[in-house]
Order: sequence, then C-alpha cells, then structure tokens
Amino acid sequence: QSVLTQPPSVSEAPRQRVTISCSGGSSNIGSHGVSWFQQLPGKTPKLLIYYDDLRPSGVSDRLSGSKSGTSASLAIRGLQSEDEADYYCAAWDDNLNGWVFGGGTRLTVL
Amino acid sequence: QVQLVQSGAEVRRPGASVKVSCKASGYTLTTYAFTWVRQAPGQGLEWMGWISGYDGETKSAQKLQGRVTMTRDISTTTAYMEVRDLRPDDTAVYFCARETLVPGTVVDYWGQGTLVTVSS
Repeated sequence: QSVLTQPPSVSEAPRQRVTISCSGGSSNIGSHGVSWFQQLPGKTPKLLIYYDDLRPSGVSDRLSGSKSGTSASLAIRGLQSEDEADYYCAAWDDNLNGWVFGGGTRLTVL
Repeated sequence: QVQLVQSGAEVRRPGASVKVSCKASGYTLTTYAFTWVRQAPGQGLEWMGWISGYDGETKSAQKLQGRVTMTRDISTTTAYMEVRDLRPDDTAVYFCARETLVPGTVVDYWGQGTLVTVSS
C-alpha cells in the first residue's frame, strides 16, 4: 500500500491530453514539493517534474505539473507513442522522514 | 556530464549481506547527496535511504533501519549501500540517484540499477 495514491492505469489516443493524479496528505504533498518520474520498460527512472511544476532542462514542454493542497497532477498534451511508460509521483514525508512514492500509473497511448 | 555507474548483479542466500556501489562522475560529490531506491520485480519504487556527500549524514527508511548501512568515499567518489540479513523479499533492482544536500528536494540523475536476487 503506497503512501501516495495514483490510478493504476490511464489511456488516451495520440495527440490528446491526459492527466495523472496523485493524492497524499498534509505530511507529504501538503508540506513539500512533488516530483514526477517516468520509467520506460526496463529502464531507469527519469525526472520529469520537481518542486510541483518545474521541468528539468531537456524535458518536453508538453509535460506540466500542478498541485493543490494535498493533491498533485501531471498533464501530458499531444500524446505520442513514446510517452507510453510508468509514471510515479513522489514527495518527502515528515512523519516517515523519507521520500514516499505513489504506486505508479501505466500510461497507454491507444 | 553527470554519471552514476553501479556495480553488477548479485545473488545471495537468505541471511547473507550485499554491498552495492555507485560511482559518481561529472560533478563534485561533496556538493550533493545520494538517495537509494529499490524496485521489486513488477512493483513500484521504494525509498531506502539518503546520505550526504558533504558530511556522510544518513537517513534511512524505518522498515529497513538496523539492516542497512550507507557510506560514501570521497576519494573514489563512490557511494555504497549494504543490506544485511537478506530476505527473499529484498529481491529487487537497487538504484542510486543524486539528490541535493537538502533531503526531499530534487532527485535528478539515476544510476542504471543493480539487480540483487535473494534465493536459497
């Protein structure tokens, strides 16, 4: 049981927009920045978003992050087949004194 | 460019120990920290611990406390994660990653992962 809650899967057609939600609590998302990671099959995780809505250099501007209270979202517009992957949200948790992750969301581009 | 290169796959018996290494290059080790994350087969990501590259301060996940030791060697720019008293459910890919010196902020570069298999 993950501390942060994500939908197990989402799917959408190419060129459309999809959002992935991440729900937590006051000790994690409510108090700290949210990060999002992409993991392609068999690959290492890649940082997509940090501090809720900042993109590292080199990450496509088709991706955006947002946060409200104890929930966060990752949006991907203009879906492409290469976006098919697992997506994880993460935040520091003050009660556990460590990072907590969501269970991951598998994105399928139909 | 920043690179984190981890040691190769390991197989251990239950009750044994394993030590995974993570060699950093392309940046100054003492200005960042390492965070360790593992992923069991077909499962999600699980945070294991954090070690400051500056002073070696550590934080570890509560469920692993007492079985995990993190160290870093500034001279070789290498971080280490040792897990003792291995159990079958410790079977996972272990990742090291670079994090800022303030824990819980930005985890940007990741190693390629090290598969640790615990089996009798």
